[in-house]
Amino acid sequence: NAGVTQTPKFQVLKTGQSMTLQCAQDMNHEYMSWYRQDPGMGLRLIHYSVGAGITDQGEVPNGYNVSRSTTEDFPLRLLSAAPSQTSVYFCASSYSVAGGQDEQFFGPGTRLTVL
Amino acid sequence: KQEVTQIPAALSVPEGENLVLNCSFTDSAIYNLQWFRQDPGKGLTSLLLIQSSQREQTSGRLNASLDKSSGRSTLYIAASQPGDSATYLCAVKANSKLTFGKGITLSVRP
Repeated sequence: NAGVTQTPKFQVLKTGQSMTLQCAQDMNHEYMSWYRQDPGMGLRLIHYSVGAGITDQGEVPNGYNVSRSTTEDFPLRLLSAAPSQTSVYFCASSYSVAGGQDEQFFGPGTRLTVL
Repeated sequence: KQEVTQIPAALSVPEGENLVLNCSFTDSAIYNLQWFRQDPGKGLTSLLLIQSSQREQTSGRLNASLDKSSGRSTLYIAASQPGDSATYLCAVKANSKLTFGKGITLSVRP
């Protein structure tokens, strides 16, 4: 298993540009989520999905869109990039949303800089 | 709203010391608690997961305990080594979400 994969690893954008961060998992996990990690703020949940076709907002959803058309993929779209979106983005997945035994697996992250 | 606290933010110890990292959370209605390790510039690696019905889990030199009623978890690292230097994060799972503490940055001096 490749686990959770993310592309790209690094990205530099100009203010106003749009882009999509890709996330995929090959473990047949129902639950997928996106976090951003900022110094002093820790990891904050952006959006999550409990299955194909079902998404919901997390703690900091503004400026981001998601969709889940397949079990494997959960892309994160930045509609109009802003310097405040400079961060490290992590994708995570687990087998289910409510299982106490379900471990969260994280991707390697995408470092995004918005100029 | 669930809040997860890890204090202190940083810790420096000499090699060989046994140490305890603390994690506290405000809402005891959790599915599980997970401890992660993060090396600089890297992703999160899962260390231990404790289900809400469990009291502790062990893996090698690591032991994690959970006291759900008091909202506390500890990660015990035995005989610390320089290779243990990293940031350790705890996270609680509840209501479809994983809430993280800000982490403890551990430095083990040779």
